[in-house]
This record gives sequence, structure tokens and C-alpha cells, in this order.
Amino acid sequence: DVKVTQSSRYLVKRTGEKVFLECVQDMDHENMFWYRQDPGLGLRLIYFSYDVKMKEKGDIPEGYSVSREKKERFSLILESASTNQTSMYLCASSSITRTSGSIYEQYFGPGTRLTVT
Amino acid sequence: AQSVTQPDIHITVSEGASLELRCNYSYGATPYLFWYVQSPGQGLQLLLKYFSGDTLVQGIKGFEAEFKRSQSSFNLRKPSVHWSDAAEYFCAVGDAGNTGKLIFGQGTTLQVKP
Repeated sequence: DVKVTQSSRYLVKRTGEKVFLECVQDMDHENMFWYRQDPGLGLRLIYFSYDVKMKEKGDIPEGYSVSREKKERFSLILESASTNQTSMYLCASSSITRTSGSIYEQYFGPGTRLTVT
Repeated sequence: AQSVTQPDIHITVSEGASLELRCNYSYGATPYLFWYVQSPGQGLQLLLKYFSGDTLVQGIKGFEAEFKRSQSSFNLRKPSVHWSDAAEYFCAVGDAGNTGKLIFGQGTTLQVKP
């Protein structure tokens, strides 16, 4: 059974703290994604990675960075957390098998609800 | 630019009634289309997908969706809703650059009345 896990389900941090959100997938997928989800805004892409050490900015990268040192692990970093980064963060992965759109079939983790106070 | 619109933010249906959730997309070529469901406090689970071929696709949990190119729509349907279907539903389209990125709609929250 395919699996994407995220290190924490709930996290509370203080303004200015450095925050690490970890995501691990066991499907040997090349692509990994970080989204944030806010009510009424759907899912917005923060960063994605298509290979180890490769990354590309998404729609809202400001205030975030990422790290991918191993294929199965993709980390989202908030260098200095702010209250407007309080949100649900979702990680996903997909394979680059370029057959009939399968590259777009993303598998999601359970999410991390981050509160910054 | 590509976009996905889910016109209904909230929908309430009675248990046992039929359901249709609307999704419209903008994309020039044949799109790759998805419906995901998110139960409260959970991640997203894939319900069904359309890549090509038969325009009526079947998914898990008794859901189906129909791709209508002329209307740029990919509406999700279920003939009889169960209380456990209460969740948020997201429609998504694959981006044009074959990168694997998805563009999501804003989501529709389904409430089921007993």
C-alpha cells in the first residue's frame, strides 16, 4: 500500500522560530510537493522537487525553503515562522512514469496543522 | 493560464439523495482531470481520474464523473449519498507543461443531513 507520511499531525510554534516539516514516501517516487491549504483558497503549491537536490518554486514560495537530500524525503523549512504561516501543510508525491497522465497522479500525506503564535 | 473552478463552496444534501458537484476547467488540449476527497483532519484521497477514452469514469466509494469537452466540465456524481460522504471535495487538472503539477479548485464542502 502506498504511503506518504508527515512527521507531525499538529505543531505549535512561536513567531520567529525555525520550523521543519518532514515528509517521507515509500513509493520510490521522483516528484514530491509541498502545499498549503487555507479555507476558501484550495491547495496552493509552495515548492516541488523532481529529483534529489532539485527543486522548483511553486505559486507561494515566499517565506519557505525546501531540502531534498534523499529521494524519499522532502523537507519544508520556515526560516522564521510568522503568524500568517498558520495553516494546514500537505505533502504529496508522484511518479515520473510518463504514461497517459500518470505523472499527475499525486498521493498525499495526512497533513500537518501548524499554528504559529 | 489554466484554472479550475468549483462554483459551489458548500452543498447540503439529505442522506440517500443524489449528488452532483460541479467542476469547470480552462485548458486548450485534452486535460488530465482528477477528483480528490478530504475527510476532516485528513489528507487527500484520489476518488477518480480521467486521462482519455470513455468520458464517464468510475471511481471509488460509488462515485463517477463525466468529462464534457464542449462544456469544459468534469462533474462528480453519486446516486445515493451516505453520511460518511460528508467531506471536502477537490477537482484538479494537470498543468500543460507535463511537470506533474496539479492545479486545484477551491473545494466544495459537502454536508449530509440525516
